[in-house]
Amino acid sequence: GQNIDQPTEMTATEGAIVQINCTYQTSGFNGLFWYQQHAGEAPTFLSYNVLDGLEEKGRFSSFLSRSKGYSYLLLKELQMKDSASYLCAAADSNYQLIWGAGTKLIIKP
Amino acid sequence: ETGVTQTPRHLVMGMTNKKSLKCEQHLGHNAMYWYKQSAKKPLELMFVYSLEERVENNSVPSRFSPECPNSSHLFLHLHTLQPEDSALYLCASSHQPEGLAGVSYNEQFFGPGTRLTVL
Repeated sequence: GQNIDQPTEMTATEGAIVQINCTYQTSGFNGLFWYQQHAGEAPTFLSYNVLDGLEEKGRFSSFLSRSKGYSYLLLKELQMKDSASYLCAAADSNYQLIWGAGTKLIIKP
Repeated sequence: ETGVTQTPRHLVMGMTNKKSLKCEQHLGHNAMYWYKQSAKKPLELMFVYSLEERVENNSVPSRFSPECPNSSHLFLHLHTLQPEDSALYLCASSHQPEGLAGVSYNEQFFGPGTRLTVL
């Protein structure tokens, strides 16, 4: 079957770095998406990886290893506004998105 | 603002009611999606309309009925719902390459959702 695993909740300190991991098992693979969702709001796109390696966008970076079925989202210089849920989704051979349950990130001062 | 709007934002309905959720996208996209989001569960794709073609998930109960009159508007008609249908219903849109109906090739833009409570 197809499956996405990511931690349910993580806590980090303002100004620190946090890494949110995601493992996936899909029938075929056409890329890995990360979305951010603040409470009561719409998910918003953060990143897309289809090749192995690290993609950096400001304070946020996303990494992919296709051979390991593994991705992570790295958030640096954490700010209170980064408190949100982070959703991992993999596109399968039909380009359908398989979603994880999301990781709730709590930032403490 | 993502360019995707949903109404109403909140809805409380009884099990015998009939209601409709509305979604509108102002992005010129050609694919629209309905998702169900329950607490601590993955997003569940319910329906996709892409390049005038409807792609549906066969596990969605018939008490949910989608309608897509044009590429900018999407409705979800609800009737005789159950309490377990209470959830956040999200609409999304994306641009799909021609000839690849239902393909999630590009990022999806989500609306703010309708919080549905079934009593």
